[in-house]
Amino acid sequence: GAVVSQHPSRVICKSGTSVKIECRSLDFQATTMFWYRQFPKQSLMLMATSNEGSKATYEQGVEKDKFLINHASLTLSTLTVTSAHPEDSSFYICSASPAYRASQYFGPGTRLLVL
Amino acid sequence: AQKVTQAQTEISVVEKEDVTLDCVYETRDTTYYLFWYKQPPSGELVFLIRRNSFDEQNEISGRYSWNFQKSTSSFNFTITASQVVDSAVYFCALSGANAGGTSYGKLTFGQGTILTVHP
Repeated sequence: GAVVSQHPSRVICKSGTSVKIECRSLDFQATTMFWYRQFPKQSLMLMATSNEGSKATYEQGVEKDKFLINHASLTLSTLTVTSAHPEDSSFYICSASPAYRASQYFGPGTRLLVL
Repeated sequence: AQKVTQAQTEISVVEKEDVTLDCVYETRDTTYYLFWYKQPPSGELVFLIRRNSFDEQNEISGRYSWNFQKSTSSFNFTITASQVVDSAVYFCALSGANAGGTSYGKLTFGQGTILTVHP
């Protein structure tokens, strides 16, 4: 149990386009999901907290107008990178947890390459 | 603010050697959770262990063991008789929790330690 999926696993796009990444909890409901970003050879940094039915909470330095988060249901959160640029190329990972568990369950990640 | 420090950027050992990965943390929360994750080249995070701040018992799982020392704010990870398949990046992470023990969910990660085990 407690499986989190992400789609797509890998995406290549041209600079200026928008890319949507989905994070799904497959066998549990999650009122909160988290989005992390990992640049090559670096650690994971929390970008934002996705809250079902309300606005996301962004970490300092993360542009909310660039990284749009929608958590429309208890099993799905989406991260849209708007007008992507090469510097947005990174590994994006989401996590979620059933309400009764202390551990976060991570998706397999999405590699974004912006040309 | 929370902080996790993994001072060892890279470690290289020969197969069958024991290796310890260090992790030191800072938090103002009285209740918190500590984690270790393994990240192989595929990128997917593999959960290894979770420890809550009230449980200072050391834990052993096969070749893996963890030493939680609250007095020194450390949560070190030892791999005994390392194998080539242990080669990966290892992350230590921390999440705060409320007084009731409910985790806030979001994790603060250390910088990671790249472990290379040579045959």
